[in-house]
Amino acid sequence: AQSVTQLDSHVSVSEGTPVLLRCNYSSSYSPSLFWYVQHPNKGLQLLLKYTSAATLVKGINGFEAEFKKSETSFHLTKPSAHMSDAAEYFCVVSVGGGNKLTFGTGTQLKVEL
Amino acid sequence: DTGVSQNPRHKITKRGQNVTFRCDPISEHNRLYWYRQTLGQGPEFLTYFQNEAQLEKSRLLSDRFSAERPKGSFSTLEIQRTEQGDSAMYLCASSHKDNSYEQYFGPGTRLTVT
Repeated sequence: AQSVTQLDSHVSVSEGTPVLLRCNYSSSYSPSLFWYVQHPNKGLQLLLKYTSAATLVKGINGFEAEFKKSETSFHLTKPSAHMSDAAEYFCVVSVGGGNKLTFGTGTQLKVEL
Repeated sequence: DTGVSQNPRHKITKRGQNVTFRCDPISEHNRLYWYRQTLGQGPEFLTYFQNEAQLEKSRLLSDRFSAERPKGSFSTLEIQRTEQGDSAMYLCASSHKDNSYEQYFGPGTRLTVT
């Protein structure tokens, strides 16, 4: 079975400093991986996706993630945090022919002045 | 493109009552998914449709739950004889057959069972 593990339930950074949200995956074959963001009272929004093309994936709002097969990781990074980045972030793997999504437990990102 | 819409946004019901939620996907999307999200957790897959055909159901979807997509457009999710454990956010997502990896989510329906 395919699954993802988000290693931190909460991450706190200062505005202007780098963001690192960690995700490890488990898969018997090459997975499709995603990061989604959920702002309070708003719908889930796709940040970026990896579907077996380039291992370094760029997304919206300056976020990027690198697929590392040797480490079974798909960590999300951003060089400089902004207050508007405060939200919950989900690492997600796509499972099966129907592409149903399996979500991690989420990482709450807090950005402080 | 008006996005995925869900109605109602909030529903409070008493235990034992039936409730029905509606999801309107993005118009050209032929796949529609239902997920459930409880407090502090990530969304969990419930079921999905390709056009009007329901192709997969999770074990989470007990026999009190039923979903339909009669004309391949909007979908409804009904919960019969609601229980307190059904309290959650119910999320709908849709995707296009040519790009089914990208699922677009609606704002959700928050159900509270008292």
